[in-house]
Amino acid sequence: DQQVKQNSPSLSVQEGRISILNCDYTNSMFDYFLWYKKYPAEGPTFLISISSIKDKNEDGRFTVFLNKSAKHLSLHIVPSQPGDSAVYFCAASVLSGGTYKYIFGTGTRLKVLA
Amino acid sequence: ETGVTQSPTHLIKTRGQQVTLRCSSQSGHNTVSWYQQALGQGPQFIFQYYREEENGRGNFPPRFSGLQFPNYSSELNVNALELDDSALYLCASSFRGPYGYTFGSGTRLTVV
Repeated sequence: DQQVKQNSPSLSVQEGRISILNCDYTNSMFDYFLWYKKYPAEGPTFLISISSIKDKNEDGRFTVFLNKSAKHLSLHIVPSQPGDSAVYFCAASVLSGGTYKYIFGTGTRLKVLA
Repeated sequence: ETGVTQSPTHLIKTRGQQVTLRCSSQSGHNTVSWYQQALGQGPQFIFQYYREEENGRGNFPPRFSGLQFPNYSSELNVNALELDDSALYLCASSFRGPYGYTFGSGTRLTVV
């Protein structure tokens, strides 16, 4: 039962253009969403988050949008840079048994072409 | 401020053996979580430790166990290794609550 889905395993974007990474979820109890970036041979690095009570959060070139009715969130990167090439995971947090745990999607590999 | 460090970085074990993976939390963090990332998959939650006690567990059998020490460092132990246990094991530290994790670089375990 995959509660967090990233349906696009890969995405290629030209440098300077917008990258849009998508994520869908099924559990309406999720209260916090995060995006992580992962380079090869490194652990995931926190990028940006959004609370379920908001619909948008912006940090520099990165903006996350949350559509609760559609159970969908997206990460926009503008402008895209070659250094953004990595695997991006979305994650959702849920309080379970007194513990917040994160459920991750399967990731989207972004390639930014110079 | 040091990040999360994991050791070893790579490990090869034989089916049926036992393995211990180690993690040092980021300074100030009191919660440690362990994740398994199989090839082509997202990280899967194994368990979380807070104040040296298991504080939540994912869908993993009891042969996966852990410890958290007073200095917030942690161990993941896996007994009776199976071929499907081959994966990247990630340790993440955080403050307790819905806060983002700081991940280590992981231990790549190969079971042959």
